[in-house]
Amino acid sequence: AQTVTQSQPEMSVQEAETVTLSCTYDTSENNYYLFWYKQPPSRQMILVIRQEAYKQQNATENRFSVNFQKAAKSFSLKISDSQLGDTAMYFCAFTPDFGNEKLTFGTGTRLTIIP
Amino acid sequence: EPEVTQTPSHQVTQMGQEVILRCVPISNHLYFYWYRQILGQKVEFLVSFYNNEISEKSEIFDDQFSVERPDGSNFTLKIRSTKLEDSAMYFCASSAALAGGHEQFFGPGTRLTVL
Repeated sequence: AQTVTQSQPEMSVQEAETVTLSCTYDTSENNYYLFWYKQPPSRQMILVIRQEAYKQQNATENRFSVNFQKAAKSFSLKISDSQLGDTAMYFCAFTPDFGNEKLTFGTGTRLTIIP
Repeated sequence: EPEVTQTPSHQVTQMGQEVILRCVPISNHLYFYWYRQILGQKVEFLVSFYNNEISEKSEIFDDQFSVERPDGSNFTLKIRSTKLEDSAMYFCASSAALAGGHEQFFGPGTRLTVL
């Protein structure tokens, strides 16, 4: 069974600063995908960024980037130049590269961007 | 941009009553999911559905739960006899394909309150 752990229940950062959200996971699979989903207040979850485990290069999407350390089973999300609209719950999620790809989520980190 | 919709946004019911939560996935998607999130806890997988049958279900998805795709657009989750512990946010998701870590698109959720 896979597990995903997010050890930071809440974080806050000043607007325009950089913040890093932590995620660790446990799996015996060799091929899998990792995701960060964002859930703004009262809105649906949207995908922020995705990482394929067999790719060594860290994924980047504009201000969002990940630090993927496969051996350490670590997958952190860095948000640069944070904006007020980044205020949300952030969930780390895992899916193996087989079967129906159900997502296994962490408990989430509530991020608040302070003006 | 196409999106997953869910109705109702909030459902209040008495313990022992049946509820049906409705979802309209993105029209060309083939894989459908239900997740739930008990307040303050992680998002948990309930069931996945493909080609008019359940692909996988979790331990949570017992005989009180059922899913159906009654027509070409709706995807429903029925709870036959609700219990207090069924109170949660229920999220529907859909994806276009199975392999390759395809993004799951989430609906805004239905908050179910069982009294």
